[in-house]
Amino acid sequence: AQSVAQPEDQVNVAEGNPLTVKCTYSVSGNPYLFWYVQYPNRGLQFLLKYITGDNLVKGSYGFEAEFNKSQTSFHLKKPSALVSDSALYFCAAGRVLTGGGNKLTFGTGTQLKVEL
Amino acid sequence: DAGVTQSPTHLIKTRGQHVTLRCSPISGHKSVSWYQQVLGQGPQFIFQYYEKEERGRGNFPDRFSARQFPNYSSELNVNALLLGDSALYLCASSEHVLTGEKLFFGSGTQLSVL
Repeated sequence: AQSVAQPEDQVNVAEGNPLTVKCTYSVSGNPYLFWYVQYPNRGLQFLLKYITGDNLVKGSYGFEAEFNKSQTSFHLKKPSALVSDSALYFCAAGRVLTGGGNKLTFGTGTQLKVEL
Repeated sequence: DAGVTQSPTHLIKTRGQHVTLRCSPISGHKSVSWYQQVLGQGPQFIFQYYEKEERGRGNFPDRFSARQFPNYSSELNVNALLLGDSALYLCASSEHVLTGEKLFFGSGTQLSVL
């Protein structure tokens, strides 16, 4: 069974400072990794994904993530945080199902709070 | 273009009742997935449908069922509701069921079971 861990329930950062939201994974085979963001009373929005290739993945709104196979990590980063980045962030791993479909296994989420 | 739409947005039921949640995918998307998000946790996979066929089922009891219609919209049904079924139910759509394909989520249906 695959699993995703987000060790921090909350991350606080000052606006303009770099931010990192941590994620580690446990999967069999090649990992398919995603980051989604959830704003209050909204569904999840896709930020970026890693399937194969360059270990540094660039996504929406200036976010990027670094895939590290040896550490089984996929940390989300942004060079300069904005107050509007405050939201709930989910890391997820994709898995192919025997019925031909696929599913995402999500971490428990990390609440990012960016303060002035 | 409209995104993924779900109805109703909020719902209150009592234990033992039945509920039907509805989802309309983005135009052109043929796959619909359902996820349950309990407060304080990440979403949990319930079902995936593609071209009206079930392509995956998560670890949920048989009280949970779903179907997909010819226009690719979908319904999630839950029978004999329990207090523990209280959650945000998210629908997500995608064009196909390709590995690594991103999902587009609706805003969800908040179900409260009293």
